Amino acid sequence: DTAVSQTPKYLVTQMGNDKSIKCEQNLGHDTMYWYKQDSKKFLKIMFSYNNKELIINETVPNRFSPKSPDKAHLNLHINSLELGDSAVYFCASSQDLWGRTEAFFGQGTRLTVV
Amino acid sequence: KNQVEQSPQSLIILEGKNCTLQCNYTVSPFSNLRWYKQDTGRGPVSLTIMTFSENTKSNGRYTATLDADTKQSSLHITASQLSDSASYICVVSARAGKSTFGDGTTLTVKP
Repeated sequence: DTAVSQTPKYLVTQMGNDKSIKCEQNLGHDTMYWYKQDSKKFLKIMFSYNNKELIINETVPNRFSPKSPDKAHLNLHINSLELGDSAVYFCASSQDLWGRTEAFFGQGTRLTVV
Repeated sequence: KNQVEQSPQSLIILEGKNCTLQCNYTVSPFSNLRWYKQDTGRGPVSLTIMTFSENTKSNGRYTATLDADTKQSSLHITASQLSDSASYICVVSARAGKSTFGDGTTLTVKP
């Protein structure tokens, strides 16, 4: 029974397109996150939501727009995709916003922009 | 600025050997420190969490230490196995603040 699930797992698209990545958690957590992991495998936080409210937005271009329809879902929409957006995007959730509880990660979405 | 530095950046060891990964941080005020293991193609999974009052915590063959005075942590892996090949990420959280991720150490265990 998957705790944090992301779809799709792989996404290949052309520059300029708009795409979405979906994330769902069945852990009953209040907080959800999006992370970007680049080719050097550095993991950087992009957004965090707590009870559907945006808490952290880490200087991410406004082409990236997260949407949280409810506590269990946090989707990531990306407009006008650029080559530099190619990376692995991880969704995660935790009970606590400030790292006091474990974050559970999805399996990642590998986005390739060509 | 809160920072987390991990060393070495990468490490290759033979199966059955021990190894130690380092994490130095400047995060303040300190809340907790967590070690994650990330297998290739998977999301990170938590190994241990350490709070201010804890010096050592074990999870099977993984033992984490914390020195809150020097702001250093280590992750010791005993009797390494091929399945230990992964990236190990140190994450430090500040009280009422966000978590800061280290850049990770890539461990390769060879037969």
